[in-house]
Amino acid sequence: NAGVTQTPKFRVLKTGQSMTLLCAQDMNHEYMYWYRQDPGMGLRLIHYSVGEGTTAKGEVPDGYNVSRLKKQNFLLGLESAAPSQTSVYFCASSGTSGSGPAAYEQYFGPGTRLTVT
Amino acid sequence: GQNIDQPTEMTATEGAIVQINCTYQTSGFNGLFWYQQHAGEAPTFLSYNVLDGLEEKGRFSSFLSRSKGYSYLLLKELQMKDSASYLCAVMDSNYQLIWGAGTKLIIKP
Repeated sequence: NAGVTQTPKFRVLKTGQSMTLLCAQDMNHEYMYWYRQDPGMGLRLIHYSVGEGTTAKGEVPDGYNVSRLKKQNFLLGLESAAPSQTSVYFCASSGTSGSGPAAYEQYFGPGTRLTVT
Repeated sequence: GQNIDQPTEMTATEGAIVQINCTYQTSGFNGLFWYQQHAGEAPTFLSYNVLDGLEEKGRFSSFLSRSKGYSYLLLKELQMKDSASYLCAVMDSNYQLIWGAGTKLIIKP
């Protein structure tokens, strides 16, 4: 049981380049999320998905796109990278049957450290 | 707007007790989470409070007062491995998590 995995772990891009970050989970979770984490700030939600084939915008969606073609995968795309997108990106998943924390607890992947020069 | 406040950094001594506070103002409330995040790693779940009162789990306890918009995480018998950032997050009316910036806890021998 790998939980939530992310690829790649590190990446350096030049301004204007594009890339896709892949997130995969093997817990059969319905909900998946992409966050960015910057120094001195809380995790900020970029996009999320409440099920296969659905996506929605979070707090900071500009410059990013996502797709959820399969339940276990959630892709985050940067079409034209900018230095302001230098950050650590975390994918998370949640949503099991039951109530209380088991229903809402988010499980995080190890993160992708992205630098845009 | 929505806001989560917690101290930026705290220092404590190995074996002691530390309390990390979190105050919040959010549009709706569906529970408060505490996560632990070691440097360079992913956040991991510590506790969840949805009703007022204290939840105890081993050396860690979490308290919630919904009327005051306040929570704290209490860590007892501190160990060096407890050096980490502690993130407070509130689930709002849309069941989205609103995150605080985190409290970096430094444990000294």
